[in-house]
Amino acid sequence: EVQLVESGGGLVQPGGSLRLSCAASGFNFRIYWMSWVRQAPGKGLEWVANINEDGSGRFYVDSVKGRFTISRDDAKSSVSLQMNSLRAEDTAIYYCAQVTWGRFDWGQGTLVTVSS
Amino acid sequence: QSALTQPPSASGSPGQSVTISCTGTSSDVGGYNHVSWYQQHPGKAPKVMIYEVNKRPSGVPDRFSGSKSGNTASLTVSGLQPEDEADYYCSSYAGTNGLFGGGTKLTVL
Repeated sequence: EVQLVESGGGLVQPGGSLRLSCAASGFNFRIYWMSWVRQAPGKGLEWVANINEDGSGRFYVDSVKGRFTISRDDAKSSVSLQMNSLRAEDTAIYYCAQVTWGRFDWGQGTLVTVSS
Repeated sequence: QSALTQPPSASGSPGQSVTISCTGTSSDVGGYNHVSWYQQHPGKAPKVMIYEVNKRPSGVPDRFSGSKSGNTASLTVSGLQPEDEADYYCSSYAGTNGLFGGGTKLTVL
Protein backbone atom coordinates (compact mmCIF):
# COMPACT_ATOMS: atom_id res chain seq x y z
CA GLU A 1 0.00 0.00 0.00
CA VAL A 2 1.32 3.40 -0.98
CA GLN A 3 2.05 5.56 2.05
CA LEU A 4 3.22 9.14 1.72
CA VAL A 5 3.78 11.44 4.68
CA GLU A 6 4.45 15.13 4.08
CA SER A 7 6.13 17.49 6.51
CA GLY A 8 7.64 20.95 6.61
CA GLY A 9 4.62 23.16 6.10
CA GLY A 10 3.96 26.26 8.16
CA LEU A 11 3.64 30.02 8.20
CA VAL A 12 6.21 32.02 6.23
CA GLN A 13 6.47 35.67 5.28
CA PRO A 14 6.29 36.79 1.64
CA GLY A 15 9.70 36.44 0.05
CA GLY A 16 10.68 33.70 2.45
CA SER A 17 11.64 30.07 1.91
CA LEU A 18 10.32 26.71 3.03
CA ARG A 19 11.34 23.13 2.33
CA LEU A 20 8.70 20.41 2.17
CA SER A 21 9.57 16.74 2.55
CA CYS A 22 7.68 13.57 1.78
CA ALA A 23 8.57 10.15 3.19
CA ALA A 24 7.42 7.27 1.01
CA SER A 25 6.84 3.61 1.87
CA GLY A 26 4.93 0.58 0.69
CA PHE A 27 6.23 0.59 -2.88
CA ASN A 28 9.47 0.48 -4.87
CA PHE A 29 10.20 4.20 -4.69
CA ARG A 30 13.12 4.08 -7.16
CA ILE A 31 11.02 3.24 -10.20
CA TYR A 32 8.29 5.84 -9.83
CA TRP A 33 7.90 9.43 -10.86
CA MET A 34 6.93 11.64 -7.94
CA SER A 35 4.93 14.83 -7.86
CA TRP A 36 3.82 17.79 -5.78
CA VAL A 37 0.27 19.05 -6.23
CA ARG A 38 -1.26 21.96 -4.33
CA GLN A 39 -4.73 23.14 -3.45
CA ALA A 40 -5.36 26.74 -2.47
CA PRO A 41 -8.13 27.35 0.07
CA GLY A 42 -11.49 26.65 -1.53
CA LYS A 43 -9.90 25.97 -4.92
CA GLY A 44 -9.16 22.97 -7.12
CA LEU A 45 -6.08 20.83 -7.55
CA GLU A 46 -3.06 22.39 -9.24
CA TRP A 47 -0.11 20.33 -10.38
CA VAL A 48 3.17 21.94 -9.23
CA ALA A 49 6.13 19.72 -10.14
CA ASN A 50 7.19 16.26 -11.29
CA ILE A 51 10.49 14.44 -10.98
CA ASN A 52 11.25 11.33 -12.99
CA GLU A 53 12.49 8.02 -11.60
CA ASP A 54 16.21 8.80 -11.69
CA GLY A 55 15.97 12.51 -10.94
CA SER A 56 17.31 13.55 -14.33
CA GLY A 57 14.05 15.21 -15.36
CA ARG A 58 12.29 17.91 -13.35
CA PHE A 59 9.19 19.65 -14.60
CA TYR A 60 7.29 22.62 -13.19
CA VAL A 61 4.13 24.63 -13.65
CA ASP A 62 5.04 28.03 -15.11
CA SER A 63 4.05 29.96 -11.98
CA VAL A 64 6.79 28.33 -9.86
CA LYS A 65 9.62 27.99 -12.38
CA GLY A 66 12.80 29.55 -11.03
CA ARG A 67 11.42 29.62 -7.48
CA PHE A 68 10.69 25.98 -6.59
CA THR A 69 12.99 22.96 -6.91
CA ILE A 70 11.88 19.33 -6.66
CA SER A 71 14.43 16.70 -5.68
CA ARG A 72 14.53 13.10 -4.54
CA ASP A 73 16.68 10.87 -2.33
CA ASP A 74 16.19 7.25 -3.33
CA ALA A 75 18.28 6.01 -0.39
CA LYS A 76 15.76 7.58 1.98
CA SER A 77 12.70 7.04 -0.25
CA SER A 78 11.91 10.70 0.00
CA VAL A 79 11.03 13.61 -2.25
CA SER A 80 11.39 17.29 -1.39
CA LEU A 81 10.18 20.64 -2.62
CA GLN A 82 12.38 23.66 -1.94
CA MET A 83 10.25 26.78 -2.19
CA ASN A 84 11.93 30.19 -2.42
CA SER A 85 10.61 33.71 -3.00
CA LEU A 86 7.24 32.66 -1.67
CA ARG A 87 4.17 34.72 -2.53
CA ALA A 88 0.73 35.00 -0.99
CA GLU A 89 -0.68 33.06 -3.92
CA ASP A 90 1.48 30.05 -2.98
CA THR A 91 -0.70 29.57 0.11
CA ALA A 92 -2.15 26.07 -0.20
CA ILE A 93 -2.16 22.52 1.03
CA TYR A 94 0.73 20.78 -0.70
CA TYR A 95 0.28 17.11 -1.50
CA CYS A 96 3.03 14.66 -2.35
CA ALA A 97 1.96 12.03 -4.86
CA GLN A 98 3.25 8.94 -6.60
CA VAL A 99 2.60 9.29 -10.33
CA THR A 100 1.96 6.50 -12.79
CA TRP A 101 0.85 7.47 -16.29
CA GLY A 102 -1.11 10.42 -14.99
CA ARG A 103 -2.60 8.59 -12.02
CA PHE A 104 -1.80 10.27 -8.71
CA ASP A 105 -1.73 8.44 -5.36
CA TRP A 106 -1.73 10.93 -2.53
CA GLY A 107 -0.32 11.77 0.85
CA GLN A 108 -2.36 13.65 3.44
CA GLY A 109 -0.86 17.04 2.63
CA THR A 110 0.89 19.82 4.51
CA LEU A 111 -0.37 23.38 4.79
CA VAL A 112 1.78 26.29 3.64
CA THR A 113 0.62 29.78 4.55
CA VAL A 114 2.42 32.80 3.11
CA SER A 115 1.47 35.88 5.05
CA SER A 116 2.99 38.81 6.91
CA GLN B 1 -1.54 23.17 -21.30
CA SER B 2 -4.97 24.28 -20.13
CA ALA B 3 -6.82 22.51 -17.37
CA LEU B 4 -9.30 19.85 -18.32
CA THR B 5 -12.90 21.10 -18.40
CA GLN B 6 -15.41 19.80 -15.87
CA PRO B 7 -18.86 21.13 -14.96
CA PRO B 8 -18.65 22.99 -11.64
CA SER B 9 -21.57 21.13 -10.16
CA ALA B 10 -23.74 18.04 -10.50
CA SER B 11 -26.52 16.61 -8.41
CA GLY B 12 -28.83 13.68 -8.00
CA SER B 13 -31.17 12.05 -5.53
CA PRO B 14 -30.27 8.92 -3.57
CA GLY B 15 -30.48 5.87 -5.79
CA GLN B 16 -30.18 7.84 -9.01
CA SER B 17 -27.24 7.94 -11.40
CA VAL B 18 -25.16 10.97 -12.23
CA THR B 19 -22.45 11.46 -14.86
CA ILE B 20 -19.61 13.97 -14.69
CA SER B 21 -17.70 14.88 -17.84
CA CYS B 22 -14.05 15.81 -18.32
CA THR B 23 -13.07 17.36 -21.64
CA GLY B 24 -9.54 17.73 -22.89
CA THR B 25 -7.78 17.56 -26.23
CA SER B 26 -6.21 14.99 -28.51
CA SER B 27 -2.91 15.67 -26.69
CA ASP B 28 -4.20 14.42 -23.37
CA VAL B 29 -7.61 12.78 -22.81
CA GLY B 30 -8.08 11.84 -26.43
CA GLY B 31 -4.54 10.64 -26.97
CA TYR B 32 -4.14 8.16 -24.13
CA ASN B 33 -6.21 5.68 -22.15
CA HIS B 34 -4.83 7.17 -18.95
CA VAL B 35 -7.63 9.17 -17.38
CA SER B 36 -8.12 9.03 -13.62
CA TRP B 37 -10.86 10.27 -11.31
CA TYR B 38 -10.51 11.38 -7.69
CA GLN B 39 -13.00 11.87 -4.88
CA GLN B 40 -12.27 14.49 -2.24
CA HIS B 41 -14.33 15.02 0.89
CA PRO B 42 -13.94 18.32 2.80
CA GLY B 43 -10.68 18.45 4.72
CA LYS B 44 -9.44 15.18 3.25
CA ALA B 45 -6.88 14.22 0.65
CA PRO B 46 -8.07 13.15 -2.80
CA LYS B 47 -8.66 9.43 -3.32
CA VAL B 48 -8.35 7.54 -6.60
CA MET B 49 -11.71 6.15 -7.70
CA ILE B 50 -10.96 5.31 -11.34
CA TYR B 51 -7.73 4.94 -13.29
CA GLU B 52 -6.88 4.04 -16.89
CA VAL B 53 -10.32 5.32 -17.93
CA ASN B 54 -12.39 2.52 -16.41
CA LYS B 55 -10.42 0.54 -13.81
CA ARG B 56 -11.30 0.62 -10.11
CA PRO B 57 -8.73 0.25 -7.35
CA SER B 58 -9.56 -2.41 -4.81
CA GLY B 59 -12.10 -1.19 -2.30
CA VAL B 60 -13.87 1.24 -4.61
CA PRO B 61 -17.54 0.29 -5.01
CA ASP B 62 -18.61 -0.87 -8.46
CA ARG B 63 -21.19 1.92 -8.41
CA PHE B 64 -18.35 4.03 -9.77
CA SER B 65 -17.52 3.56 -13.44
CA GLY B 66 -15.56 5.42 -16.08
CA SER B 67 -15.62 5.74 -19.85
CA LYS B 68 -14.15 7.82 -22.63
CA SER B 69 -15.22 8.96 -26.07
CA GLY B 70 -12.85 11.05 -28.13
CA ASN B 71 -11.53 13.93 -26.06
CA THR B 72 -14.12 13.55 -23.29
CA ALA B 73 -14.00 11.18 -20.35
CA SER B 74 -16.88 10.54 -17.99
CA LEU B 75 -17.40 9.33 -14.46
CA THR B 76 -20.75 7.75 -13.64
CA VAL B 77 -21.93 7.18 -10.11
CA SER B 78 -24.87 4.79 -9.99
CA GLY B 79 -27.17 4.22 -7.04
CA LEU B 80 -26.15 7.49 -5.42
CA GLN B 81 -25.57 7.37 -1.69
CA PRO B 82 -25.24 10.26 0.75
CA GLU B 83 -21.53 9.55 1.26
CA ASP B 84 -20.91 10.13 -2.46
CA GLU B 85 -21.38 13.86 -1.88
CA ALA B 86 -17.90 15.25 -2.50
CA ASP B 87 -15.72 17.06 -5.00
CA TYR B 88 -14.57 15.03 -8.00
CA TYR B 89 -11.52 15.75 -10.13
CA CYS B 90 -10.25 14.16 -13.32
CA SER B 91 -6.67 13.93 -14.49
CA SER B 92 -5.05 12.77 -17.68
CA TYR B 93 -1.60 11.69 -18.72
CA ALA B 94 -0.09 14.59 -20.67
CA GLY B 95 3.59 13.80 -20.96
CA THR B 96 5.97 15.30 -18.45
CA ASN B 97 3.47 17.59 -16.74
CA GLY B 98 0.44 16.92 -14.60
CA LEU B 99 -3.02 17.92 -15.77
CA PHE B 100 -6.21 18.16 -13.73
CA GLY B 101 -9.77 19.21 -14.27
CA GLY B 102 -11.22 22.14 -12.34
CA GLY B 103 -13.38 19.88 -10.20
CA THR B 104 -17.08 19.10 -9.90
CA LYS B 105 -19.04 19.40 -6.68
CA LEU B 106 -21.48 16.49 -6.50
CA THR B 107 -24.50 17.11 -4.31
CA VAL B 108 -26.77 14.28 -3.19
CA LEU B 109 -30.18 15.88 -2.82
